[in-house]
This record gives sequence, structure tokens and C-alpha cells, in this order.
Amino acid sequence: DAEITQSPRHKITETGRQVTLACHQTWNHNNMFWYRQDLGHGLRLIHYSYGVHDTNKGEVSDGYSVSRSNTEDLPLTLESAASSQTSVYFCASSEELAVGDTQYFGPGTRLTVL
Amino acid sequence: QKEVEQNSGPLSVPEGAIASLNCTYSDRVSQSFFWYRQYSGKSPELIMSIYSNGDKEDGRFTAQLNKASQYVSLLIRDSQPSDSATYLCAVRPAGNMLTFGGGTRLMVKP
Repeated sequence: DAEITQSPRHKITETGRQVTLACHQTWNHNNMFWYRQDLGHGLRLIHYSYGVHDTNKGEVSDGYSVSRSNTEDLPLTLESAASSQTSVYFCASSEELAVGDTQYFGPGTRLTVL
Repeated sequence: QKEVEQNSGPLSVPEGAIASLNCTYSDRVSQSFFWYRQYSGKSPELIMSIYSNGDKEDGRFTAQLNKASQYVSLLIRDSQPSDSATYLCAVRPAGNMLTFGGGTRLMVKP
């Protein structure tokens, strides 16, 4: 069955380190998204991509980067991790940006920055 | 100002009752509206979508949309303890990006 996976599921790192979170989907969806979820803020969009080699900034993109070299993967990189980036990160994908388009979420990565 | 507003709850209802969850949004040109359910420690899963004014029913769930008043609601009939979760309202305004509310925590007590 088609699915969307994230790795690692849990990560503890230190301030200043570079961290990369992986997202892989087998639906062959064009659109992929990264969100962070914090208490009191709901889901906030970090970066998104409409296709290979396309990336766009979302609402809270500072300190994060993404690259899209193929359809299946959209890794999220924290260039220099900060304690404010401690959060749960969700990757999502969707087929197209039509009115009825639905986003499907991965299982999430819980990141702790010490 | 947050674009999608939800009461954070918790909303507590007894088993078998109707749970009513509400969401208001600010962008008048929004076209698509979604309700996601998120169990603690899990990822959001889509339970309902609605695009036109009125009601849309799916089993025990009914989504209601009123674009003139800019609100969307979710009714859960015959609430079960397994419905206890956080319910996220999501709206797609012009620009095509989903905007999520903060979620309402629902507790269904046996």
C-alpha cells in the first residue's frame, strides 16, 4: 500500500548541530509539505514543494531548508538547531491543488534540541 | 490575528451525546474546509471535507458550512469514548495553502 514515512521518529540533538529529518512518500504525489506542531499553535507550515526542484517558504521557514531532488522525498534540514525548534514535525503530501485536494500526513518526528 | 479559530477545550460530553465542534475563519474567499482528527501522539487523519454551504453527512459525522457567517462545524452523533481526540479545523483560502486552527480537545466520558 502507498504510504508516507518519516525518520527518525524521535531525535535528541544539541544546540548548533545540523539535523535532517527525512520524509518519503510512495503515492507519487506532486505536492509535499512540512509542518511543525506546538501546543497553542496548532500546525504551522514550514516549507512546501509542488514538484521536483521546486521549494517554497511557509509561515515559519526561518532556520529550516528543504530540497526536492525526486518525487518521493522532501528532507527537512535544520542548519543550526535551536531550542526553539523543539517540536513535533509532520510531513504531508497531496496529489494536486484542486479544491478538493486532501493532504495525507506522515507519523511525525519528535525533535528535542538541548 | 489567527486566520482559523477554534475553542481549545476540553469539550466534555457523555457517551451517546452529540458533540458539537466549531471553527471560524477570516478569509472570505476560502473554498475548501476540512476536519482532521488527531489522537494523542499520532498524526492528523482526515475525517470530513466540505466545499458548499449546508450539511454533509458521513456516518455519525456531519459537517456544516456557512460561508456568509464564515464558520464551519462538526457534529458527532452518538459520541463514543473512542472519539476522544483533538479535532483540527483546516481551511484553504486563496493561495491554496491549508491553514489549521489550534484544535479542540474532545473528551467523551463513559
